Amino acid sequence: NAGVTQTPKFRILKIGQSMTLQCAQDMNHNYMYWYRQDPGMGLKLIYYSVGAGITDKGEVPNGYNVSRSTTEYFPLRLELAAPSQTSVYFCASSPQGSRQPQHFGDGTRLSIL
Amino acid sequence: QKEVEQNSGPLSVPEGAIASLNCTYSDRGSQSFFWYRQYSGKSPELIMFIYSNGDKEDGRFTAQLNKASQYVSLLIRDSQPSDSATYLCAVGLTGGGNKLTFGTGTQLKVEL
Repeated sequence: NAGVTQTPKFRILKIGQSMTLQCAQDMNHNYMYWYRQDPGMGLKLIYYSVGAGITDKGEVPNGYNVSRSTTEYFPLRLELAAPSQTSVYFCASSPQGSRQPQHFGDGTRLSIL
Repeated sequence: QKEVEQNSGPLSVPEGAIASLNCTYSDRGSQSFFWYRQYSGKSPELIMFIYSNGDKEDGRFTAQLNKASQYVSLLIRDSQPSDSATYLCAVGLTGGGNKLTFGTGTQLKVEL
């Protein structure tokens, strides 16, 4: 029962480098989300997707890109890493339909130095 | 800006006591409300959801919703040290995509 799987768990980047955070879910959920969580703060929505080929911006999208070519995968791309992007990143998914809860992956802890 | 407000705590309660966690929200159109538990260094875990005014009970947990006053609360009865965590209140946004707005969380400490 894998649920939502995120890789890598930890990563250190240098300023200006790029990387992709991977997210996969095996629950056949149409909706997927990317959040960041800074210390002592709640989760902020970066991007979300309501199905393959459909993505939209959340509250804090600047500096990130996403794609959704299949139902299962929803990668998050950082093109030019900046220290302000040091955070813990969570991917989540939910079934289609209103009032559905979101289920979270274990997170990726990213440090940019 | 739709907001969800929580007291950051820490809220300290003795073992066996009732812990009461509160959350207020600004969007009157919100229809769904969730409580997540987050242990330090871990991901949020869903523990309760509520959609209608009143109380909803699940084991030691009771969620309470008052849409007129725009608040939702979580009661934890017979608190245990294993309940020590940060509790995040999340409110469903109107519109598509089941988007949620999260509060900053309340840290609960259950003391022996």
